[in-house]
Amino acid sequence: KAGVTQTPRYLIKTRGQQVTLSCSPISGHRSVSWYQQTPGQGLQFLFEYFSETQRNKGNFPGRFSGRQFSNSRSEMNVSTLELGDSALYLCASSHYRGLGETQYFGPGTRLLVL
Amino acid sequence: AQTVTQSQPEMSVQEAETVTLSCTYDTSENNYYLFWYKQPPSRQMILVIRQEAYKQQNATENRFSVNFQKAAKSFSLKISDSQLGDTAMYFCAFMKHDNAGNMLTFGGGTRLMVKP
Repeated sequence: KAGVTQTPRYLIKTRGQQVTLSCSPISGHRSVSWYQQTPGQGLQFLFEYFSETQRNKGNFPGRFSGRQFSNSRSEMNVSTLELGDSALYLCASSHYRGLGETQYFGPGTRLLVL
Repeated sequence: AQTVTQSQPEMSVQEAETVTLSCTYDTSENNYYLFWYKQPPSRQMILVIRQEAYKQQNATENRFSVNFQKAAKSFSLKISDSQLGDTAMYFCAFMKHDNAGNMLTFGGGTRLMVKP
């Protein structure tokens, strides 16, 4: 079974631009979560989607948004990019939400904001 | 809110030896799950081992085992017969046992170097 895939793998943007990252979960997985990883803040939860609905949201500004499609694929969008948004963005999928489902991570998208 | 602390930013071990990585957490929850993830230089996060808090028996997975002390809120990872491929960042993570979602709270990580 194919793992979690994320596209693109690398991205360079300038301040003020917006960006969209994509995540395809493992086949059959319905929950997709997003995390931001930076050297300073570590790994932080962004949001989780299950059955096309956002179930949880971390402590990030409204510039960070996401959505999930009927095939469970998910996208996250960051508008008005800031230098501090430079990070590795990780997507993880699991079968269901809650009850300790193990999350399986994709390779990440490395975003650099200049 | 939950917090996870990994007090060892960096560790090293000789190949074939045993090393233990520490993790403590703070929570008011009684039921929860704990995980150890490994992130090698490729940056792909890989699940190492998982522990359900309601299980007293410590989880094991081949060369990897945990020492789960619920009262002390401690969850250490022991790697036996260390291999060069074990060189990576190791993250301890916490997840609540409820239907609110799959949010993982991570510790700051421990960088492990296995030396030949």
